[in-house]
Amino acid sequence: DVKVTQSSRYLVKRTGEKVFLECVQDMDHENMFWYRQDPGLGLRLIYFSYDVKMKEKGDIPEGYSVSREKKERFSLILESASTNQTSMYLCASSSLAGGADTQYFGPGTRLTVL
Amino acid sequence: DQQVKQNSPSLSVQEGRISILNCDYTNSMFDYFLWYKKYPAEGPTFLISISSIKDKNEDGRFTVFLNKSAKHLSLHIVPSQPGDSAVYFCAASDRNRDDKIIFGKGTRLHILP
Repeated sequence: DVKVTQSSRYLVKRTGEKVFLECVQDMDHENMFWYRQDPGLGLRLIYFSYDVKMKEKGDIPEGYSVSREKKERFSLILESASTNQTSMYLCASSSLAGGADTQYFGPGTRLTVL
Repeated sequence: DQQVKQNSPSLSVQEGRISILNCDYTNSMFDYFLWYKKYPAEGPTFLISISSIKDKNEDGRFTVFLNKSAKHLSLHIVPSQPGDSAVYFCAASDRNRDDKIIFGKGTRLHILP
């Protein structure tokens, strides 16, 4: 079974803090993704990565950066957290093998910025 | 511009009856479609998918139908069970372009006792 883990289930930070969200997958997947989920807006892609040290902007990258130093780990960084970044953050991974695009998700991190 | 649309934010169905969740898309280049199920405070879990070369895919109680000419797909759950109460996301991908998946906004399904 694919396992995607996220470092925290719940996180509370203050405005202006630097926030790191970590994601690890154990299936040797090439692709990794960061989404945020907000009520009425569905899942919106923040950043994704096809390979180590590679990153691509998604639909809403502003205010975020990412790091992929190892294949299994993809980090989302909020350089200076703001209240509008309060959300559920979801990490996902998928494999290039077979061309299938099924993404497997972690449990999510609910971030509250005060 | 929303490429994947789920026009019903919520749906209530009696236990034992059929649940039908609908999804429309605008990009004719999409060639792979997926449904995910999400419980509160959990990540989405993959439910079922269909390639554009097919018009139906069945897995147990879940069946996905694809109508390419109408750019429409639907998820049928029969019979509906209490554990099916969740948010369902429709998603689509253009695999010739990249490995991104475009998600709809979701439909919350309530199964009534």
